Amino acid sequence: GENVEQHPSTLSVQEGDSAVIKCTYSDSASNYFPWYKQELGKGSQLIIDIRSNVGEKKDQRIAVTLNKTAKHFSLHITETQPEDSAVYFCAASKGKTSYDKVIFGPGTSLSVIP
Amino acid sequence: DAEITQSPRHKITETGRQVTLACHQTWNHNNMFWYRQDLGHGLRLIHYSYGVQDTNKGEVSDGYSVSRSNTEDLPLTLESAASSQTSVYFCASSEGGVGQYFGPGTRLTVL
Repeated sequence: GENVEQHPSTLSVQEGDSAVIKCTYSDSASNYFPWYKQELGKGSQLIIDIRSNVGEKKDQRIAVTLNKTAKHFSLHITETQPEDSAVYFCAASKGKTSYDKVIFGPGTSLSVIP
Repeated sequence: DAEITQSPRHKITETGRQVTLACHQTWNHNNMFWYRQDLGHGLRLIHYSYGVQDTNKGEVSDGYSVSRSNTEDLPLTLESAASSQTSVYFCASSEGGVGQYFGPGTRLTVL
């Protein structure tokens, strides 16, 4: 079955610096890659996603890149702020009729130091 | 506003007891999911449903069951709680083609 690896498991950056989280997936049939942010005591929130027909997607300070050949994708957060501190999960999906059944990575705990 | 809720938010129970965790969404989504989250494992899929009367096993379904009698609810039942089922449980819903909306989670402790 699909396996998603995620690195690093923890990441500390100074406020204003960039943060990069990398994920790899095993199943070349995966075609949808969402990223979720989980804040303490809250459920996960979708922050950005990318489909296999796109190489890069950007939304304000957040961007995601996808390399289908290497089967890896990355989350980039620029100009980090303390409120970016959270656990981030990458995921991969190859749903038959939808993109809903996803396999999650183990998560990255990001700390932004003021 | 549409939302997804879980109850209870915290539960302590004893080994062998039956426990049911509730999940309710008001988006009218067809797809609903239950995950457990453990340190080092991320979110692992327990059961999922693509519509009323439809249920499917995920990767860690042993010891759990779900039923889908209406669109809004997908209760998760632990038939005989075990200490290995101590975890944080998240419910999610979605409609095809977009990411999932997650509930706030239920922290379950089995003593």
